[in-house]
Amino acid sequence: DIVLTQSPASLAVSLGQRATISCRASQSVSTSSYSYMHWYQQRPGQPPKLLIKYASNLESGVPARFSGSGSGTDFTLNIHPVEEEDTATYFCQHSWEIPPTFGGGTKLEI
Amino acid sequence: QVQLQQSGAELMKPGASVKISCKADDYTFSSYWIEWLKQRPGHGLEWIGEILPGSGSTNYNEKFKGKATFTADTSSNTAYMQLSSLTSEDSAVYYCVKGNFSHWGQGTLVTVSA
Repeated sequence: DIVLTQSPASLAVSLGQRATISCRASQSVSTSSYSYMHWYQQRPGQPPKLLIKYASNLESGVPARFSGSGSGTDFTLNIHPVEEEDTATYFCQHSWEIPPTFGGGTKLEI
Repeated sequence: QVQLQQSGAELMKPGASVKISCKADDYTFSSYWIEWLKQRPGHGLEWIGEILPGSGSTNYNEKFKGKATFTADTSSNTAYMQLSSLTSEDSAVYYCVKGNFSHWGQGTLVTVSA
């Protein structure tokens, strides 16, 4: 199975500043056309919500302050400027093969 | 709009089985995979497997083979996951998810306790 390692495990950012979360895969999850990496936000007591698909594509309805980048084995989620409502845990997930796996999560506090 | 409505929380005895339901609304249920995931504090999110309701095709995570069984009823747009031989390790929140991971059920808490 592909292992996804997220860093940091937790992060405190001031209102209006930038939050950067990294996700490293144990093998490449990219082709020349697509990167099979996705990002989710989960608030306490709620299911995860898809934010970014295929590394850099914003899901419909997600604010433009969220952005994703990366390819191969290294991916990044950026949030700028952060708002109070962004307090949550963020996960990366690959869909390169079965089974899809998730990173361990990054807890963001604003 | 697309909704996935899961059945309510369950309190089960060790060794028992439980069946969780996931009713889908407002999309062509038979055409999209339904994914099933497990979430426990400290263990992150785990993919259990998936079912394509229209054909009944399934894929299981090796880790959950023998533990989880998926079925689907296209007449009621409902997917089911049965978990057997429950232990404390099965205590978790279980989610059903539409195949592109864009829509999630609200989660079903399963607690296994004597």
